[in-house]
Amino acid sequence: DTGVSQDPRHKITKRGQNVTFRCDPISEHNRLYWYRQTLGQGPEFLTYFQNEAQLEKSRLLSDRFSAERPKGSFSTLEIQRTEQGDSAMYLCASSPFFAGVPYEQYFGPGTRLTVT
Amino acid sequence: GIQVEQSPPDLILQEGANSTLRCNFSDSVNNLQWFHQNPWGQLINLFYIPSGTKQNGRLSATTVATERYSLLYISSSQTTDSGVYFCAVDANNNDMRFGAGTRLTVKP
Repeated sequence: DTGVSQDPRHKITKRGQNVTFRCDPISEHNRLYWYRQTLGQGPEFLTYFQNEAQLEKSRLLSDRFSAERPKGSFSTLEIQRTEQGDSAMYLCASSPFFAGVPYEQYFGPGTRLTVT
Repeated sequence: GIQVEQSPPDLILQEGANSTLRCNFSDSVNNLQWFHQNPWGQLINLFYIPSGTKQNGRLSATTVATERYSLLYISSSQTTDSGVYFCAVDANNNDMRFGAGTRLTVKP
């Protein structure tokens, strides 16, 4: 049973560049979540998918951020025109969802973004 | 939205000591999880415990949903227990809200 994987693990980019992160969830999980964590804080929710449908977006997800899960499997998170304030750890999680109940979330190792 | 408060924010223990970490939340929740974040940032699942008591080796957790709190017990602490412990709750079947964490340091 492979866990949640994320790629890349580290990304250094210059301000104004676009970046894209990938998340591969646990295969039988139909829910996929994106979180952001800054230094010294707990993770903050960004958005989630149930299968291929994006069902909720946090106000933290500005119009420079976009996420997709085109076939209900892997997901991508793109940040356009990066700013220094985007520097953070981006975490992906997945969980099963049955009969109206989400179950335990499992997290990937994260992608650490540094914007210079 | 729901508020999650963890205490204490920092805890320093001698190896072998016991500790209790607390998580208070401001509204009814459907799910509650405890995580340990290792130095590389990986969140490791400890307990999925919306109510009741569970034990796993030296760790145990209790959630009293009616009183809106959860406790994580660590017995006979080891240096490898060091790291940040997070409580996260789900009130709306959508997203998890995390507390600010308890940073635990276990000294040899």
